[in-house]
Amino acid sequence: NAGVTQTPKFRVLKTGQSMTLLCAQDMNHEYMYWYRQDPGMGLRLIHYSVGEGTTAKGEVPDGYNVSRLKKQNFLLGLESAAPSQTSVYFCASRLGVTEAFFGQGTRLTVV
Amino acid sequence: GEDVEQSLFLSVREGDSSVINCTYTDSSSTYLYWYKQEPGAGLQLLTYIFSNMDMKQDQRLTVLLNKKDKHLSLRIADTQTGDSAIYFCAELANAGKSTFGDGTTLTVKP
Repeated sequence: NAGVTQTPKFRVLKTGQSMTLLCAQDMNHEYMYWYRQDPGMGLRLIHYSVGEGTTAKGEVPDGYNVSRLKKQNFLLGLESAAPSQTSVYFCASRLGVTEAFFGQGTRLTVV
Repeated sequence: GEDVEQSLFLSVREGDSSVINCTYTDSSSTYLYWYKQEPGAGLQLLTYIFSNMDMKQDQRLTVLLNKKDKHLSLRIADTQTGDSAIYFCAELANAGKSTFGDGTTLTVKP
């Protein structure tokens, strides 16, 4: 049982490049989330999904897009990376109101 | 986050009680959570409380909820050095949106 798996774990991008972060969960969870964590700012919600084919904006959605084509996968895309998007990105999933399970994080640096 | 606020730092001595406070703004919050994050790791759930409850106790952890004031607290009894971590308050609203506070860094001194 892998739980929530994020790939990649580390990435360095040049300004203007694009990339996709993948979150996969094997727990058949309906809800999935993407957060970014910056020093002193806690976790900020980027986008979330309450089921396959659905997405919704969180607190800081600008500069990011998401897709939930399959229930087990939630993709976070950066179309044109900016240094302000340097952060640690966490994916989480939950089944209803229970515990949210987190991935181990993706450390992204944009230079 | 904007909707959930916490103080950033707390320092206690080993054996003392720690109290971490949180305020939230979303009146539709149905569940409130406390998570713990150790250095370099993801978040792990410590405990949670349904919004119609006032208190929940789980071993050394006591959660108090004042729904009228939208105030949540986590008390850790007999705090140990292994409790040093960042503690996050989080809410779950009806529509599935879940937001977190900025985290409180707890430092336990021997």
